[in-house]
Amino acid sequence: TQLLEQSPQFLSIQEGENLTVYCNSSSVFSSLQWYRQEPGEGPVLLVTVVTGGEVKKLKRLTFQFGDARKDSSLHITAAQPGDTGLYLCAGLNSGGSNYKLTFGKGTLLTVNP
Amino acid sequence: NAGVTQTPKFRILKIGQSMTLQCTQDMNHNYMYWYRQDPGMGLKLIYYSVGAGITDKGEVPNGYNVSRSTTEDFPLRLELAAPSQTSVYFCASSPDRTGVREQYFGPGTRLTVT
Repeated sequence: TQLLEQSPQFLSIQEGENLTVYCNSSSVFSSLQWYRQEPGEGPVLLVTVVTGGEVKKLKRLTFQFGDARKDSSLHITAAQPGDTGLYLCAGLNSGGSNYKLTFGKGTLLTVNP
Repeated sequence: NAGVTQTPKFRILKIGQSMTLQCTQDMNHNYMYWYRQDPGMGLKLIYYSVGAGITDKGEVPNGYNVSRSTTEDFPLRLELAAPSQTSVYFCASSPDRTGVREQYFGPGTRLTVT
């Protein structure tokens, strides 16, 4: 069974601070995705990374896929209260079944005004 | 496009009752999934389907059944509800893109079994 470990599990910061969330595994993934989930709603896809070492930016969010495609990070610059939510990473197995994603347990981010 | 829609949004069941959670997508995606989400436990895959007429078990299929008679619909059936099935259920669909399974989620169904 593939596992994705996310850290930290909880993060509470003040508006304007920077933060980084990590997603780690001992397994190789063909692609990795990040989702954000707000209370009472379903997760929404933020980004997909597919190439080892790839970096993608989405406004103040920067996503990186590890060179070995086993880990990823999400960095938020100058966090805002609107960034509050549960951040989930999910990876697609590079071998075997390619139908199912493995999800991490998530990082619950609270940005205080 | 409405995307992925789920009904009902909330439901309370008594132990032993049955119900069907409905899921419909209008994006012509072949892949569809059912997950449950419990606090602090992330998303657990219950069942998935790679196309009409084809379904397979995920990590936690016990107590659930699914069918996929059309591309659009993927209902989840609970036959004998148990308190352990209290959870939030999400349906998702995914386009057929090699090496990537981007999930488009519905708004969820919050189920309580008492």
